[in-house]
Amino acid sequence: DGGITQSPKYLFRKEGQNVTLSCEQNLNHDAMYWYRQDPGQGLRLIYYSQIVNDFQKGDIAEGYSVSREKKESFPLTVTSAQKNPTAFYLCASSIVIGRASYNEQFFGPGTRLTVL
Amino acid sequence: QKEVEQDPGPLSVPEGAIVSLNCTYSNSAFQYFMWYRQYSRKGPELLMYTYSSGNKEDGRFTAQVDKSSKYISLFIRDSQPSDSATYLCAMSMYGGATNKLIFGTGTLLAVQP
Repeated sequence: DGGITQSPKYLFRKEGQNVTLSCEQNLNHDAMYWYRQDPGQGLRLIYYSQIVNDFQKGDIAEGYSVSREKKESFPLTVTSAQKNPTAFYLCASSIVIGRASYNEQFFGPGTRLTVL
Repeated sequence: QKEVEQDPGPLSVPEGAIVSLNCTYSNSAFQYFMWYRQYSRKGPELLMYTYSSGNKEDGRFTAQVDKSSKYISLFIRDSQPSDSATYLCAMSMYGGATNKLIFGTGTLLAVQP
């Protein structure tokens, strides 16, 4: 089955620790995205990548880092510098066909991170 | 002022009712308009996508865009308990590789059997 997988589903972290959230897709999509979802604030873009070995900051990149070494994978690291990391994290991917075309973003099931 | 405003609800309706969900936006550069459905503890899934002003229908769902008023709506006819979810509107200025979505906060809908 084609889709996006995220792991783990639930993650608990102590303050001061870095954690890495996994995102894998087998849809052969070029673009991948990381969003953060908080109650009452909707989804906010953290980082996105259009191609392997390249990525751009989104609206709330501070305290996060990413890598894109393979087309299928786009892991997100939540560093100790992120002051309020407890949230629901969503990974998405899309094809890229020209700048004038809307390309649907497909979302993974999410990872709920809780800082203890 | 947020770029996209959406009433968070919750909205509770009886089964079979017509549901109207709405978003307003401030940036006239938005070109693409989407509605996502998100079940509890799941990722969002795309329900409807529109580009131009007017209506777009898909089964029980109708998406409406009024660019002059900067207002979009999603109508659900003959609502079912399985429609109970959070509905997120989203908008984008660009397509292609810079397809950044701006989301509303979501409206929680409960359809009572």
